[in-house]
Amino acid sequence: NAGVMQNPRHLVRRRGQEARLRCSPMKGHSHVYWYRQLPEEGLKFMVYLQKENIIDESGMPKERFSAEFPKEGPSILRIQQVVRGDSAAYFCASSPPPAEYTGELFFGEGSRLTVL
Amino acid sequence: SQKIEQNSEALNIQEGKTATLTCNYTNYSPAYLQWYRQDPGRGPVFLLLIRENEKEKRKERLKVTFDTTLKQSLFHITASQPADSATYLCALDMAGSAGNTGKLIFGQGTTLQVKP
Repeated sequence: NAGVMQNPRHLVRRRGQEARLRCSPMKGHSHVYWYRQLPEEGLKFMVYLQKENIIDESGMPKERFSAEFPKEGPSILRIQQVVRGDSAAYFCASSPPPAEYTGELFFGEGSRLTVL
Repeated sequence: SQKIEQNSEALNIQEGKTATLTCNYTNYSPAYLQWYRQDPGRGPVFLLLIRENEKEKRKERLKVTFDTTLKQSLFHITASQPADSATYLCALDMAGSAGNTGKLIFGQGTTLQVKP
């Protein structure tokens, strides 16, 4: 019974490159969330998606960041033209459909992005 | 906007003692409040959820209280063990009393160190 799977666990990019982080939700879960944890800061909500639909992206930076959750395959958080300030741990969480959601989020182990 | 405050100073206690962690929030009272555990380099793991109409909730050696008048939750670990050493995060749903969205606001966490 696999949990939330994220890859890569560690990613190093140079300034100006692109970073793609992937997340596969738990089996039976239809909703995915992305959170960012900057060094010495708490977890911050970024975006909430279901298959082929962004439900809420109010926490996403206005530029360079995008997220998708296609019909087939994992959810992807994409950061274009990375800057040093993007260095952080990016966590994905999943939940069942709203009708079954009890409040608990299931988190992956995170993807740690380092921008040189 | 809603804010969560957790004691940023590390809590050091002796094995066998009870650890008590505090979570204070401002503004609206949420429909529920959650506690997560996070180990270094790992993702948060859900521990307990307490609803606004519940005063106290227990799970094994863990106990959570929720005082909507004080806007505070206390998290207790009884008979603490070195394996309990971790960072503990308090979280509220951004929907407030409207219920579940999975968009959580997290506190910065309190690091607990249990010494043998």
